[in-house]
Amino acid sequence: GAGVSQSPSNKVTEKGKDVELRCDPISGHTALYWYRQRLGQGLEFLIYFQGNSAPDKSGLPSDRFSAERTGESVSTLTIQRTQQEDSAVYLCASSLMPRPNTGELFFGEGSRLTVL
Amino acid sequence: SQQGEEDPQALSIQEGENATMNCSYKTSINNLQWYRQNSGRGLVHLILIRSNEREKHSGRLRVTLDTSKKSSSLLITASRAADTASYFCAPNQGGKLIFGQGTELSVKP
Repeated sequence: GAGVSQSPSNKVTEKGKDVELRCDPISGHTALYWYRQRLGQGLEFLIYFQGNSAPDKSGLPSDRFSAERTGESVSTLTIQRTQQEDSAVYLCASSLMPRPNTGELFFGEGSRLTVL
Repeated sequence: SQQGEEDPQALSIQEGENATMNCSYKTSINNLQWYRQNSGRGLVHLILIRSNEREKHSGRLRVTLDTSKKSSSLLITASRAADTASYFCAPNQGGKLIFGQGTELSVKP
């Protein structure tokens, strides 16, 4: 597609439920990133995909968080048994060049998650 | 730990004035990038400066990089109300971009 697409744009869920967030990167971009941004804060790195594998998962905050990527395209971030502290905007970005030659990241508009 | 630390945290200026934002980082980098984020939106890439470059221009933007001091600055000249946004630096350490908390710029008409 023309840009990075994320869905849903907004998600309100109850504590304890599972949620799935989806990212469609720019076609041909082999590198894909997930970041989390709490209100008024900077971006926290979560996970990096190169193709379909994730050589860097160091930012995932707990085992409730997981992500996968298929077809070197779509990625899904899953949060199990959501907690209120998971409330944030989850941003996906893709890049043409893989690490370490990371160039410009193209970001989606984010998925705003609210856990009640 | 945070790699990119922006300063100031917030900046309020009048239209037409220049805005300067600073960024410090801790370890060696491949390049350093600046991004802009309008409220509630995704980030947009502004400019990338390589570790062997000292200064780069793009329109009204001027970025400097001092690797000896591990610092960078972003200058926006002749600011406009539409420049109101948060600005983030992202040092690239071995391919990993670590974003700071950003500088919130407000340009008053």
